[in-house]
Amino acid sequence: GQNIDQPTEMTATEGAIVQINCTYQTSGFNGLFWYQQHAGEAPTFLSYNVLDGLEEKGRFSSFLSRSKGYSYLLLKELQMKDSASYLCAVRDNDYKLSFGAGTTVTVRA
Amino acid sequence: DGGITQSPKYLFRKEGQNVTLSCEQNLNHDAMYWYRQDPGQGLRLIYYSQIVNDFQKGDIAEGYSVSREKKESFPLTVTSAQKNPTAFYLCATRGLATYTRYFGPGTRLTVL
Repeated sequence: GQNIDQPTEMTATEGAIVQINCTYQTSGFNGLFWYQQHAGEAPTFLSYNVLDGLEEKGRFSSFLSRSKGYSYLLLKELQMKDSASYLCAVRDNDYKLSFGAGTTVTVRA
Repeated sequence: DGGITQSPKYLFRKEGQNVTLSCEQNLNHDAMYWYRQDPGQGLRLIYYSQIVNDFQKGDIAEGYSVSREKKESFPLTVTSAQKNPTAFYLCATRGLATYTRYFGPGTRLTVL
């Protein structure tokens, strides 16, 4: 089976940094995705990691360690619009994605 | 504009009625997916289709049916056999050269 864990909620202050962790135990691994989802809206793609290491895209960075079954999404210089749910998803051998329950990030002024 | 459309955004039905959710795309993507999202749970795969006239069950297919007669369209029918149909339903596509899922805006179904 697939087991993907991430914290349920996180709160941070505008301008700060927040790190959202994701651990996974899956039957196969062919990459890890991070998506952002605002309440009532569709998830939108943030990042895709297939090799170990850090990928940086502007204020957002994503890290992967395949040996540890671990990833994190780093949000820097937080803005109010970053208040959303962040979904971790693992791609298995059959091209299917298994999603974690999501981490709701609340940014406070 | 290229994209994925789902209609309607909100749908109300009485218990025991079948209902069909629409998903249309003009991205020319071969693969299409239906997910269900419930509070506190990850997205769960209902059905997916890699090509026209072919589809496979996902993890929670019971009580649902689909068809894929055209590349652009992948409608989902929620039947009366689905025990807890109230949820947020998301349609997604995947292009050939990418593993990324592109999601439609979703349909929130409420069964009264």
